[in-house]
Amino acid sequence: DAGVTQSPTHLIKTRGQHVTLRCSPISGHKSVSWYQQVLGQGPQFIFQYYEKEERGRGNFPDRFSARQFPNYSSELNVNALLLGDSALYLCASSLGVVRDNQPQHFGDGTRLSIL
Amino acid sequence: GDSVTQMEGPVTLSEEAFLTINCTYTATGYPSLFWYVQYPGEGLQLLLKATKADDKGSNKGFEATYRKETTSFHLEKGSVQVSDSAVYFCALSDQNYGGSQGNLIFGKGTKLSVKP
Repeated sequence: DAGVTQSPTHLIKTRGQHVTLRCSPISGHKSVSWYQQVLGQGPQFIFQYYEKEERGRGNFPDRFSARQFPNYSSELNVNALLLGDSALYLCASSLGVVRDNQPQHFGDGTRLSIL
Repeated sequence: GDSVTQMEGPVTLSEEAFLTINCTYTATGYPSLFWYVQYPGEGLQLLLKATKADDKGSNKGFEATYRKETTSFHLEKGSVQVSDSAVYFCALSDQNYGGSQGNLIFGKGTKLSVKP
């Protein structure tokens, strides 16, 4: 079975632009979470979506938004990009809502570089 | 708030050496604890987990015991291999009521290099 897939793999943008990152969860998984991993740091939680509804949000500005589609895939959108948004963006999927201690399975991430 | 502290890296060992990576946590409630591994250019893979005090998680020769009295979850392996070279992250599940509940709080990671 395919794992969590993310696209694109790499992306280069300039300050002020907008970016959309995509994630397809493992088949049968209904929950998707997004994390930001800055170089040399551990991942930080951004959003969780379950059954197309936002179920959790981390401490990120309103420039960050996300949505989940009926097929449970998800998009992360970032507006007005800043240099500090350069990071590896990870998507994780799980069967149910993570507060039920469902294990999360991570994709390989999208490497976003802001020039 | 909840947090995870890992020993600073990088850690360099010779093949077959004993490995310990220290991890301590601060949390309200009773979080689940995890170790994730990240190989170069890849995402995170769950290595092991423990969901309550005194539980021992184990996988691929790695093990860690959930110690509530010392708020620790140290990762150990008796004999490391070159293929174990990676970055290791300790994490806990956020138990705070609110928007981030259940999602993972990670340490900064410890890079392990194993030399032949």
